[in-house]
Amino acid sequence: LAKTTQPISMDSYEGQEVNITCSHNNIATNDYITWYQQFPSQGPRFIIQGYKTKVTNEVASLFIPADRKSSTLSLPRVSLSDTAVYYCLVGVWDTDKLIFGTGTRLQVFP
Amino acid sequence: SAVISQKPSRDICQRGTSLTIQCQVDSQVTMMFWYRQQPGQSLTLIATANQGSEATYESGFVIDKFPISRPNLTFSTLTVSNMSPEDSSIYLCSVVGPSGGSEQYFGPGTRLTVT
Repeated sequence: LAKTTQPISMDSYEGQEVNITCSHNNIATNDYITWYQQFPSQGPRFIIQGYKTKVTNEVASLFIPADRKSSTLSLPRVSLSDTAVYYCLVGVWDTDKLIFGTGTRLQVFP
Repeated sequence: SAVISQKPSRDICQRGTSLTIQCQVDSQVTMMFWYRQQPGQSLTLIATANQGSEATYESGFVIDKFPISRPNLTFSTLTVSNMSPEDSSIYLCSVVGPSGGSEQYFGPGTRLTVT
């Protein structure tokens, strides 16, 4: 079971790029890295998932170094609506328990 | 992505009573998960619900307190039994996403307040 460590909180301003790093030193060979976004009073929303190198979708990019012991979620040009809690999750659903860490509370200011 | 609905969206209950939360998915899924999220906290996995077998509970959660049913591949219920104020939380169900890995899709949650 890979444990994740993230910063508790981050602040940014509208239009800036935000990078949130997650450490997962004991990641297993079969583990995937997945990021979620959660707004107050809503369930978490899947953002992006990767196994190695870089993954990009319409919302974010995920950078994973070769050793896979960390990952960075990159949010380009954030807006006020990106204010949320972001969770990093590491594992595989059929062999692991999908345990959420503490998450990173991102506050975007105008 | 799967569309998940939960009922009720919120409820206020008296201590000692029970509440059953329903989770409906718009497609057939093998595994469903139930989480609890206390105010300002992260999500805690309660149990994994497989269709046709007993749910698997995490440490600290027992079947007598949180019985789960999984009658088919699109539906599950979680009952919070003999409630106390400490059970006040948001309860969420989730399913595995099509890409596998650790991708999940969550319902909107049920906000439970026990008085």
